[in-house]
Amino acid sequence: KQEVTQIPAALSVPEGENLVLNCSFTDSAIYNLQWFRQDPGKGLTSLLLIQSSQREQTSGRLNASLDKSSGRSTLYIAASQPGDSATYLCAVFRTSYDKVIFGPGTSLSVIP
Amino acid sequence: EAGVTQFPSHSVIEKGQTVTLRCDPISGHDNLYWYRRVMGKEIKFLLHFVKESKQDESGMPNNRFLAERTGGTYSTLKVQPAELEDSGVYFCASSQGLAPPQNEQFFGPGTRLTVL
Repeated sequence: KQEVTQIPAALSVPEGENLVLNCSFTDSAIYNLQWFRQDPGKGLTSLLLIQSSQREQTSGRLNASLDKSSGRSTLYIAASQPGDSATYLCAVFRTSYDKVIFGPGTSLSVIP
Repeated sequence: EAGVTQFPSHSVIEKGQTVTLRCDPISGHDNLYWYRRVMGKEIKFLLHFVKESKQDESGMPNNRFLAERTGGTYSTLKVQPAELEDSGVYFCASSQGLAPPQNEQFFGPGTRLTVL
């Protein structure tokens, strides 16, 4: 059974810092992995989608890596800003059409 | 282009009542998913439609939950009768297809359900 965990559960950093959020999954047989952010009272916004054949994806100040063999993904946020404050969720697909399995999330607070 | 929309944004009902949640996917998206997040837990899959057919409903908690997608456009999720443990946020997502990159799921804002 696939389980997804995220460390840390919460993180508070001063503005401008670079930071790394971690995601681990127990079954390396995944199809792809997706990072989302959720703002309070809002829906989920897709940040990056990494296909299983890829090692990383980049979008602006965000970089996500995927290491299937070790069951890990990291989300790197460069030069953090207060607007980055949100909950970040990691989710994996077992197959191309399968439901997404979510981690519990990391709550990020960037202090001005 | 409009994203995934959900109605209502918040619903407060009493135990034993019926509630119907609605999801409008992105136009042209054949795949529609329902998820929910109950207090303190991870977001969990409920079911997946491909057009009007249920592809996977393994996440539906019990027979008090009924999902439909008549015509393959919008979907409804009915809870009847609602119980206290049904409280949470219900998310809907849609994707254009099943092969990358069309399998990327886009989520709606969610419906917060409170059962008193």
